[in-house]
Amino acid sequence: EVQLVESGGGLVQPGGSLRLSCAASGFTFSYYWMHWVRQAPGKGLVWVSRTNPDGTSTDFAGSVKGRFTVSRDNAENTVYLQMNNLRADDTAVYFCVRDSHPGSYFGQGTLVSVSS
Amino acid sequence: DVVLTQSPLSLSVTLGQPASISCRSSQSLVYSDGNTYLSWFQQRPGQSPRRLIYKVSNRDSGVPDRFAGSGSGTDFTLKISRVEAEDVGVYYCMQGTHWPYTFGQGTKLEIK
Repeated sequence: EVQLVESGGGLVQPGGSLRLSCAASGFTFSYYWMHWVRQAPGKGLVWVSRTNPDGTSTDFAGSVKGRFTVSRDNAENTVYLQMNNLRADDTAVYFCVRDSHPGSYFGQGTLVSVSS
Repeated sequence: DVVLTQSPLSLSVTLGQPASISCRSSQSLVYSDGNTYLSWFQQRPGQSPRRLIYKVSNRDSGVPDRFAGSGSGTDFTLKISRVEAEDVGVYYCMQGTHWPYTFGQGTKLEIK
């Protein structure tokens, strides 16, 4: 059974940093692109980032480019989202996603709150 | 960025009746490999999103056959043939052809 378990969310002050982790199981992690999608409270879904199977290529939405980075450890079946210079509008639930054809999976999400 | 415009934004449907959601793209979603990466997601209250349809019309595993996707180019539709109580939630179209991937605004489905 495919499982994606996010962790690392919490309350952080504006300008602060946070690193989210996503532990994957139930599939061959190193074969798949991995993604992060976020959802601000009461709002819609926004695709934040993607990373290729070996982690050599990453892309970001314009709103986070230059502030967020993604890395992965295929030996540990984990993908990370490093978020720097956080702003109030980064407040959201962050979902780790495997989106392949076929087979799409979302984690349960981890809440990031940016507030002073 | 590609803009996906969904309509309607809310839908109130009697149990057992059909429902339809439109998704229009600001540009063609045909990728260079010939595929069209248009998906539909369902988000039930308090839950993570779940994909229903990928590449326009392919149902994901476990998705009831009352859900059907169709369309081409810039114009797409999700149809539910007979709405059931468990279908309540928000439905999003999403394009995975052009980076950054984008979602529509969401359509809230409720039971009348």
